[in-house]
Amino acid sequence: EVQLVESGGGLVQPGGSLRLSCAASGFTFSSYEMNWVRQAPGKGLEWVSYISSSGSTIYYADSVKGRFTISRDNAKNSLYLQMNSLRAEDTAVYYCARITWYSGENWFDPWGQGTLVTVSS
Amino acid sequence: DIQMTQSPSSLSASVGDRVTITCRASQSISSYLNWYQQKPGKAPKLLIYAASSLQSGVPSRFSGSGSGTDFTLTISSLQPEDFATYYCQQSYSTPRSFGQGTRLEIK
Repeated sequence: EVQLVESGGGLVQPGGSLRLSCAASGFTFSSYEMNWVRQAPGKGLEWVSYISSSGSTIYYADSVKGRFTISRDNAKNSLYLQMNSLRAEDTAVYYCARITWYSGENWFDPWGQGTLVTVSS
Repeated sequence: DIQMTQSPSSLSASVGDRVTITCRASQSISSYLNWYQQKPGKAPKLLIYAASSLQSGVPSRFSGSGSGTDFTLTISSLQPEDFATYYCQQSYSTPRSFGQGTRLEIK
């Protein structure tokens, strides 16, 4: 079964750091591009970051650029998001999502179950 | 960056109704448009990819259409399990932006 499982969320004070992990199984992780997407309480989906299959190409949303770092370890089938200088507005459920390509089209599937990050004093 | 705008933001409908949700891109995205369904406390689920292709396992009452900048998601006959929030997403370029969502509620 193709599966993504996030971990590492929790309560952190403003200015603090947290590292999220996403464990992949059921597919050849090293062949796929990956993303982090977040959802603040009661709000819509916000794309956060992208990493290519090799890790050589990375993009960030302007809202997290300079504070968050995406990385991957293909040997461990794992995706990471290092979050520094956290702010109250970073409070959200964070999802990892795989990009699936077929016949030139692409979409996010599957998604993990999400991990909640709460930034509060 | 490409901006995605959905309408309406919320919609009240009854079981058996036909509903349509629209999504507009700020520039042409060809058919690089996906639709997701999200229920409370759950991850988004892919419904339609490439504007009109139904994901495996998704009921045929769901359909998508459009190309360029204007797209629609139609549910032909609403079922109780369809009450959820729906998001469009462009997959033409990074960032692969989402619409703001359409909350479908029971009338």
